[in-house]
Amino acid sequence: QSALTQPPSVSGSPGQSVTISCTGTSSDVGSYNRVSWYQQTPGTAPKLMISEVSNRPSGVPDRFSGSKSGNTASLTISGIQAEDEADYYCSSYTTTSTWVFGGGTRLTV
Amino acid sequence: EVQMVQSGGGLVQPGGSLRLSCVGSGFMFSKYYMSWVRQAPNKGLEWVASTNQDGIERNYVDSVKGRFTISRDNAKNSVYLQMNNLRVEDTAVFYCVTGGALFMRFWGQGALVTVSS
Repeated sequence: QSALTQPPSVSGSPGQSVTISCTGTSSDVGSYNRVSWYQQTPGTAPKLMISEVSNRPSGVPDRFSGSKSGNTASLTISGIQAEDEADYYCSSYTTTSTWVFGGGTRLTV
Repeated sequence: EVQMVQSGGGLVQPGGSLRLSCVGSGFMFSKYYMSWVRQAPNKGLEWVASTNQDGIERNYVDSVKGRFTISRDNAKNSVYLQMNNLRVEDTAVFYCVTGGALFMRFWGQGALVTVSS
């Protein structure tokens, strides 16, 4: 049950696009489309931003998008805004019927 | 409006026990998987346990197997996490979450569990 690999930090200026990668293995990201992304700001509970690789729950801005290729999933934020500054975590279901999270990525705008 | 209201956190000595509770409202509780996820101070998220709709299927992260038990009472729209033989490294904010089959949708406010002598 090793954590998924995310970059510790990414940054960008308002209006730019940023992509956060999430690398797993053939036992998790590579086996299922049950990859999701969560946004967490200091002192608050995480919020679901992307489910099942690329689905956006209602209320999530369409500048957030997700994709997957092989064992790596990605979250792209197009036209980042100051309010997007937060920690982002990926998560995947695994072949042992468990869940694994990434270590988290701090987005600085 | 979906709400997940948690209770039961606190300070406990190593080797002690604690029970976390979470009551859901605003959705059909009995139709959803339920999960617990924790976050150690200044660390990332860690999935702890999930249970299916009838509470029969239960899965755990290796580090809590044999010590923690997830359960639910659909009549009370509640999910629980019984934590025994607690260790210092279990210190974390514990979140109850709807979901655990496809994704984790709605998160509770979190409950701080501190294991210290």
